[in-house]
Amino acid sequence: DTEVTQTPKHLVMGMTNKKSLKCEQHMGHRAMYWYKQKAKKPPELMFVYSYEKLSINESVPSRFSPECPNSSLLNLHLHALQPEDSALYLCASSPDANYGYTFGSGTRLTVV
Amino acid sequence: KQEVTQIPAALSVPEGENLVLNCSFTDSAIYNLQWFRQDPGKGLTSLLLIQSSQREQTSGRLNASLDKSSGRSTLYIAASQPGDSATYLCAVSPSGGGTYKYIFGTGTRLKVLA
Repeated sequence: DTEVTQTPKHLVMGMTNKKSLKCEQHMGHRAMYWYKQKAKKPPELMFVYSYEKLSINESVPSRFSPECPNSSLLNLHLHALQPEDSALYLCASSPDANYGYTFGSGTRLTVV
Repeated sequence: KQEVTQIPAALSVPEGENLVLNCSFTDSAIYNLQWFRQDPGKGLTSLLLIQSSQREQTSGRLNASLDKSSGRSTLYIAASQPGDSATYLCAVSPSGGGTYKYIFGTGTRLKVLA
């Protein structure tokens, strides 16, 4: 298995909702990442987990809450989002630091 | 602070042309550089990964070169096809102590006309 799987592919949520994005890989990678991408912009790093511990938080608002329950799974919990949080959310993994990334296909999030 | 720039921002070419996409970075202290392709609204697909000790990598019609000292990488696409139409992104991994951060360029939007 050489893929990163993200679910759901599309999500529409209200500003008072709570939802979660899920990311899964079975390549034995020990680093997992959340990126946010707005239209026609490069991806922006949000969080990095290495060996199931949060190692980087790029000053992301607390309405985004990451979780890494095990080495194969990464979640992003969403609560009280704003319309400007609408974006493509990308998950990636790598064997360790300084290795190439494998990206998932993303979750298109719309906040109404 | 490392900055990554890609030129041109957009490119439209007829089918069959050979083309070159450019990626420049301001700090030559990198661990590796990765080229990605992104179709509209989709995730990123890895094309080529070049380690700092390497000069180039090839995969099919794609060839990527790296000149660390001048802070440049090029992605060469031979005999372009309409299916190559996408946004191409380069990303550099800064060197030094187990960094997990990739810094992305602004991308080149390629359109290959049939």
